[in-house]
Amino acid sequence: GQNIDQPTEMTATEGAIVQINCTYQTSGFNGLFWYQQHAGEAPTFLSYNVLDGLEEKGRFSSFLSRSKGYSYLLLKELQMKDSASYLCAVRDRDYKLSFGAGTTVTVRA
Amino acid sequence: TAGITQAPTSQILAAGRSMTLRCTQDMRHNAMYWYRQDLGLGLRLIHYSNTAGTTGKGEVPDGYSVSRANTDDFPLTLASAVPSQTSVYFCASSDSSGGANTQYFGPGTRLTVL
Repeated sequence: GQNIDQPTEMTATEGAIVQINCTYQTSGFNGLFWYQQHAGEAPTFLSYNVLDGLEEKGRFSSFLSRSKGYSYLLLKELQMKDSASYLCAVRDRDYKLSFGAGTTVTVRA
Repeated sequence: TAGITQAPTSQILAAGRSMTLRCTQDMRHNAMYWYRQDLGLGLRLIHYSNTAGTTGKGEVPDGYSVSRANTDDFPLTLASAVPSQTSVYFCASSDSSGGANTQYFGPGTRLTVL
């Protein structure tokens, strides 16, 4: 099974940088995903890591360390529209996803 | 393209009644999933199907059943609803159960069981 931990809430100022950490314990690791979910909407895919290191995609980057069971999502140049919940999800060897409870990010002007 | 559609958008259901939540995808994805999302608990997998004709149990399958008669449709049935099944239900699909292929989510069904 999976045990996935991420902070419940974070607040940051427009234009700033925020780092959302995710730690996991898994019986079989097969990839880590980050999703964004605005209130009342469906989750949408942000990033995928299966090997150690940093994946950069525009203002968003995601890092993975498999030996430490650790990932982070880095949001740069924060915009008001980035206010949302960010979900960390771990895929197991049966290709099923287990999700953390999500981190609600509030961007202040 | 429509992607994944779910129906109904929301529903209020009396306890003990049955209901089927519908999910249809037009992306020809082979894998489909049903999740429920509850405050503070995140998304939890109810049932999944890796290909048409096969289904499997997720983390919280009790009280729910699914079928996968074809590639596009993956209905979720509550045989006798209970208040603890009040939740937001999301259907998702992916074009492979492996590789870097991601799961894409439908808009969700908000279900209230009274």
